[in-house]
Amino acid sequence: GQQVMQIPQYQHVQEGEDFTTYCNSSTTLSNIQWYKQRPGGHPVFLIQLVKSGEVKKQKRLTFQFGEAKKNSSLHITATQTTDVGTYFCAGKGPGGFKTIFGAGTRLFVKA
Amino acid sequence: NAGVTQTPKFQVLKTGQSMTLQCAQDMNHNSMYWYRQDPGMGLRLIYYSASEGTTDKGEVPNGYNVSRLNKREFSLRLESAAPSQTSVYFCASSDQLGGSSGNTIYFGEGSWLTVV
Repeated sequence: GQQVMQIPQYQHVQEGEDFTTYCNSSTTLSNIQWYKQRPGGHPVFLIQLVKSGEVKKQKRLTFQFGEAKKNSSLHITATQTTDVGTYFCAGKGPGGFKTIFGAGTRLFVKA
Repeated sequence: NAGVTQTPKFQVLKTGQSMTLQCAQDMNHNSMYWYRQDPGMGLRLIYYSASEGTTDKGEVPNGYNVSRLNKREFSLRLESAAPSQTSVYFCASSDQLGGSSGNTIYFGEGSWLTVV
């Protein structure tokens, strides 16, 4: 079945450093979503990418969807302590109903 | 707008006890889900309901049952709790209209369940 793999599992950065998490699917995706979960909280939707090669930005966050629609990345420029949490990618296969979540990347930011 | 509301927030059960997690959404969404989250395992789908009147198994359905009571409510039942079911449970919903906003999954705040 469809699998979504996400790396790294953990990342420790110094405040001000950049951070990137990568997501890879075993099958072509119709869309990819990104969610953020603060410690002790629940996942909150950040963005959805649909088109091959699509790039979207939200302030310091840059999201990319690969040309083959099988991989995606989230890049945070100049991390802040408010960026702490777990970032999940979630992919939906063509014609499929279920959205499959990656295992998440937990980001720690040291002030 | 409360969004997705789930209860209880915390629960401790003894092995073999049963309990039901309640979930309701006020966004008129068609689809509802139950996930469990364990450290390092991400979010794993237990059961989902594509629309009122239908339910289907997800990745890890064993030991659970669900009921889609109406469009708003989707409950998760543990018939005989086991320590392996200690986890954080999230109820979620989405519109599933297929548009860019229809796929967004909205999560409840989670239910922390410990089975001893």
